[in-house]
Amino acid sequence: NAGVTQTPKFQVLKTGQSMTLQCAQDMNHNSMYWYRQDPGMGLRLIYYSASEGTTDKGEVPNGYNVSRLNKREFSLRLESAAPSQTSVYFCASSLGQASTDTQYFGPGTRLTVL
Amino acid sequence: LAKTTQPISMDSYEGQEVNITCSHNNIATNDYITWYQQFPSQGPRFIIQGYKTKVTNEVASLFIPADRKSSTLSLPRVSLSDTAVYYCLVVRGGTGGFKTIFGAGTRLFVKA
Repeated sequence: NAGVTQTPKFQVLKTGQSMTLQCAQDMNHNSMYWYRQDPGMGLRLIYYSASEGTTDKGEVPNGYNVSRLNKREFSLRLESAAPSQTSVYFCASSLGQASTDTQYFGPGTRLTVL
Repeated sequence: LAKTTQPISMDSYEGQEVNITCSHNNIATNDYITWYQQFPSQGPRFIIQGYKTKVTNEVASLFIPADRKSSTLSLPRVSLSDTAVYYCLVVRGGTGGFKTIFGAGTRLFVKA
């Protein structure tokens, strides 16, 4: 039982390049989330998927797109990377949609955009 | 959702009990208090959640007074491995997880 896995762990991009961050969970959870964390700050929600087949914007969605490929996988795409997107990206999942449900986080992807 | 206020940082020594207090003056009737822990280079991890009075698990205790305007996370006999950032969150029962808001947290540094 791996929990929430993310790939890659590290990535360096040049401005304007694109990439997709992958996330998978093996806990049969319904809801999945993408957050970003800038140095010394808390997490900000980028997008979330309350259930398979649905996605919605969070607090900071600009510059990102997501795909809920199936119940297990939730990917985050940067179409044209910008230095402001340099951050650590965390994927999380929870069993249900309730805010009181525990969110389980992956190890993160450290992204640097030059 | 109620805004939370917690100390930016705290220092402690191994073996001591650490209490981190979080203020949430505008907490609503159906709000719960949740704490997460984040080690360096890792994602946050759920520690404990409560509504009122006291909740205890194998990791920590959570004390919530009757007015619920504050809460205290208590870590008994900390060790060096408890060095982490601790987030106090107010989450509203019946709403979606997308309303979970992580602030800057409290950086706890445990010294030998």
